[in-house]
Amino acid sequence: DQQVKQNSPSLSVQEGRISILNCDYTNSMFDYFLWYKKYPAEGPTFLISISSIKDKNEDGRFTVFLNKSAKHLSLHIVPSQPGDSAVYFCAASGSGGSNYKLTFGKGTLLTVNP
Amino acid sequence: DTGVSQDPRHKITKRGQNVTFRCDPISEHNRLYWYRQTLGQGPEFLTYFQNEAQLEKSRLLSDRFSAERPKGSFSTLEIQRTEQGDSAMYLCASSLGTGLQTDTQYFGPGTRLTVL
Repeated sequence: DQQVKQNSPSLSVQEGRISILNCDYTNSMFDYFLWYKKYPAEGPTFLISISSIKDKNEDGRFTVFLNKSAKHLSLHIVPSQPGDSAVYFCAASGSGGSNYKLTFGKGTLLTVNP
Repeated sequence: DTGVSQDPRHKITKRGQNVTFRCDPISEHNRLYWYRQTLGQGPEFLTYFQNEAQLEKSRLLSDRFSAERPKGSFSTLEIQRTEQGDSAMYLCASSLGTGLQTDTQYFGPGTRLTVL
């Protein structure tokens, strides 16, 4: 039972355009969401996060939107650059107690074409 | 470089052998996590430490797996009697760990294990 789903295994966009990566979750106890970027043979690199008390968080070219009623979040990258080409993972976590573990989706491979 | 470091980066072993991996977290981070990633999947949680205390273990962590963080700093993950199904990337992460809120985890480069 996958609690975090990234339904698009891959996405291809032109340089300068917007990249939109989507993520759905099923566990209503999740209240903290993160996006990581991963290059081959490297560990995931933290990009941006959002708490469930917000519906938007922005950091430079990266914006994450959270729709709690739909249990959906998305990562927008504007403008996309060739160096953004990587696998992007959505992750989620609950709050309090010992529930600090991250639950990851399977990832979306983003390719930004020059 | 003050990020999370892992050693070795690659390990090739024969089935039945024991292996041990080391993780050095970011120096002021209290929480340390181990994850495993296989091809085509996202990282899967294995276990986590708050200082030296191991507070949660996944059902993925069979009896052949043991993790320690003896002084609340570096951690080791040992796999005994390795099986081919143990082949994966083993990732370590750390976070500041103040208060009860979930906080951002920062990952190391991983140790790629291949069991022949």
